[in-house]
Amino acid sequence: GESVGLHLPTLSVQEGDNSIINCAYSNSASDYFIWYKQESGKGPQFIIDIRSNMDKRQGQRVTVLLNKTVKHLSLQIAATQPGDSAVYFCAENWGDQSGGSNYKLTFGKGTLLTVNP
Amino acid sequence: EPEVTQTPSHQVTQMGQEVILRCVPISNHLYFYWYRQILGQKVEFLVSFYNNEISEKSEIFDDQFSVERPDGSNFTLKIRSTKLEDSAMYFCASRTSGKTDTQYFGPGTRLTVL
Repeated sequence: GESVGLHLPTLSVQEGDNSIINCAYSNSASDYFIWYKQESGKGPQFIIDIRSNMDKRQGQRVTVLLNKTVKHLSLQIAATQPGDSAVYFCAENWGDQSGGSNYKLTFGKGTLLTVNP
Repeated sequence: EPEVTQTPSHQVTQMGQEVILRCVPISNHLYFYWYRQILGQKVEFLVSFYNNEISEKSEIFDDQFSVERPDGSNFTLKIRSTKLEDSAMYFCASRTSGKTDTQYFGPGTRLTVL
């Protein structure tokens, strides 16, 4: 079926440690993946994205890895800070890269990241 | 930095009443979306809108729901006769038409149906 799910619902880390949040997807046609961060009472905030023609992408303190063979996505946060505490969602979409598609997003359930000082 | 805005932040209504949730997408964006999130659950797609018409809708988006872009800036979601199960956070999102397909989300409207 079409689904995106997360391996761990909660993750607790110490400040300064690296965090790894995992996500599995089942739609082999998905060609675009996004990680969002959602703080309490706020909307999803874009963190980083990756297209299916890549297996790694780095941003500021974050790295996304894509393994299409096993349909697995991960978000790595370096030197995790208390401000990183939030729920993290992976989302996938598929469609025409020319921009003619709706690009609706299918979200996973989310992982709650708690950073302990 | 441009952002999607939504009003109101919290709407309380009685079952059976009509509600209109408002969104102002980012000004140069062309695709607009509504999603909802029931408390503690994942974000679910409701509808996408492009070129003044619905381009896709989910099973959730039944005849009680409608969307409109009444002018060049606002994008609204109307629920004609609210049900208890409509209680949720409703998020508006928008994106450009280019290859950068990132959808940017608003802060959401919390709808409480009593």
